[in-house]
Amino acid sequence: GAVVSQHPSRVICKSGTSVKIECRSLDFQATTMFWYRQFPKKSLMLMATSNEGSKATYEQGVEKDKFLINHASLTLSTLTVTSAHPEDSSFYICSGVRGMEETQYFGPGTRLLVL
Amino acid sequence: GENVEQHPSTLSVQEGDSAVIKCTYSDSASNYFPWYKQELGKRPQLIIDIRSNVGEKKDQRIAVTLNKTAKHFSLHITETQPEDSAVYFCAAGYQKVTFGTGTKLQVIP
Repeated sequence: GAVVSQHPSRVICKSGTSVKIECRSLDFQATTMFWYRQFPKKSLMLMATSNEGSKATYEQGVEKDKFLINHASLTLSTLTVTSAHPEDSSFYICSGVRGMEETQYFGPGTRLLVL
Repeated sequence: GENVEQHPSTLSVQEGDSAVIKCTYSDSASNYFPWYKQELGKRPQLIIDIRSNVGEKKDQRIAVTLNKTAKHFSLHITETQPEDSAVYFCAAGYQKVTFGTGTKLQVIP
């Protein structure tokens, strides 16, 4: 159990366009979801914490108007990269937490390339 | 906020030998310390975790130790196998975690 999916797995877009990434918990209700960004050969950097039904909490330095997060249900959170630029190219990974547990279950990631 | 340091950044061991990865953290409020294994292009996979009320935990060939006083914790892998080759991340936190910089482990057959 505790499977998280992400869609799409890869996306290529033109500079200036917006891209939406979906994160779904398939077999559990995720009270909290996290969004991370990972550059090649680097660590995971937390972007924001998303709680169902409330506004996301963004980490310092992350632009909330650029990275829009919506957690509309206990099984779905979305990250929209608005007006994407080449420097937004990265590997975006979400994770879900089941109930009051601490363990994070990660999605497979979405590789974004902005041309 | 929390700051997690991880060493070494790369580690090569002969198959069958042990591997040790060490992390330190800064926030004394952190009470959850997971370790993740990430293969190239894949998602991080939880391999073991420990909470601040426990000093040591073992799961087959993998063990983790925690020293709350010194604010450091370590991952020990015994009898390493080629399939253990991957990048390993430690993390520390309370409700949310901060990841270490990662250790690329290479197990040489």
